[in-house]
Amino acid sequence: DTAVSQTPKYLVTQMGNDKSIKCEQNLGHDTMYWYKQDSKKFLKIMFSYNNKELIINETVPNRFSPKSPDKAHLNLHINSLELGDSAVYFCASSQGQSGQYFGPGTRLTVL
Amino acid sequence: QKEVEQNSGPLSVPEGAIASLNCTYSDRGSQSFFWYRQYSGKSPELIMFIYSNGDKEDGRFTAQLNKASQYVSLLIRDSQPSDSATYLCAVFDNNDMRFGAGTRLTVKP
Repeated sequence: DTAVSQTPKYLVTQMGNDKSIKCEQNLGHDTMYWYKQDSKKFLKIMFSYNNKELIINETVPNRFSPKSPDKAHLNLHINSLELGDSAVYFCASSQGQSGQYFGPGTRLTVL
Repeated sequence: QKEVEQNSGPLSVPEGAIASLNCTYSDRGSQSFFWYRQYSGKSPELIMFIYSNGDKEDGRFTAQLNKASQYVSLLIRDSQPSDSATYLCAVFDNNDMRFGAGTRLTVKP
């Protein structure tokens, strides 16, 4: 009965590959997010979608492309992976000004 | 650039003491303020939110907000070893949630 789920939990891949991370929430929230947490544990927003529309697009390389097929799903596709992309990626959702609920995270390691 | 500042710590307190965590923010228009707890290797978990000036209490946790000083704090009473974690302050404004770098708290038995 997970509220926000992400797959996969771990992703190990070679530089230059393309990979996707999927996120789903069953809370009925209108807004979903992608965050990157680096080795120093700093949590940085990447994208925010509200009812399938992109509303926040921070300065991230255009190799990162979010896609929201419906308001319960927000996927993240990453092209041409680089060493610096290694991090934990968290999906989250929220409704209005209430706090966010986070998924379990996807630990991406680029070799 | 909207910023949220926290003392990274580590903050160490003995079991049973009060732990005080502080946060300042740069955007005067910020509307909502949150505290998250993150255990090592886990995702952030919402523990408190506050919208209005003053104090808000929930069990052993008290959030304090002072919008004039752009300051928000979290007090943890009767600290337990299980409270040892990183505490993240977050500020919300127009679908944009900004996090501080987090304060690592250790509660020693």
